[in-house]
Amino acid sequence: DGGITQSPKYLFRKEGQNVTLSCEQNLNHDAMYWYRQDPGQGLRLIYYSQIVNDFQKGDIAEGYSVSREKKESFPLTVTSAQKNPTAFYLCASSRGLAGPGETQYFGPGTRLLVL
Amino acid sequence: AQSVTQLDSHVSVSEGTPVLLRCNYSSSYSPSLFWYVQHPNKGLQLLLKYTSAATLVKGINGFEAEFKKSETSFHLTKPSAHMSDAAEYFCVVRGYSGAGSYQLTFGKGTKLSVIP
Repeated sequence: DGGITQSPKYLFRKEGQNVTLSCEQNLNHDAMYWYRQDPGQGLRLIYYSQIVNDFQKGDIAEGYSVSREKKESFPLTVTSAQKNPTAFYLCASSRGLAGPGETQYFGPGTRLLVL
Repeated sequence: AQSVTQLDSHVSVSEGTPVLLRCNYSSSYSPSLFWYVQHPNKGLQLLLKYTSAATLVKGINGFEAEFKKSETSFHLTKPSAHMSDAAEYFCVVRGYSGAGSYQLTFGKGTKLSVIP
């Protein structure tokens, strides 16, 4: 089955700690994305990557970092600089960035909670 | 700049009655429009999308949406609600933002409750 996997499903962070959320896709998609979801606010874009070894900041990149060393993988690190990290994090991928009808496919999400 | 407004944060219907989830958008260029569904603690699943072909778009699970340019609307409908339709629904617009880039903007979501 092709799809996007995210792990872990739940993640707990202590104050001052960096944590990394995993996202893997086997859809052979070039583009990958990270979103943050807060209740009543829809989804907000954190980072996106069009190709390997390239990524761009989204609307709310402060306190987050990413890497794209492999096409299949796009891990997100929530750093200690992110003061309000409690949220539901969604990873997505698409064939590319260009094209008006390009569809994004989503993983099941990781819920991050602060201890 | 583009934006999406989902007119209702919460809609409640009885099982077997029609569903209407309203979405209005603004975009400088001809946009693509999507509806996604999210069940609790799950990712988003694509229901349907509009990309400048037929204005009436049919999706999965009996849902459909009509693109009305004059009203800048893309409302989601279903003739008969099922208990399994209870979820949160997101309207999304994808528009050209210049320099070969496209921007995706999500609505804030409409939570659909289905009463037995």
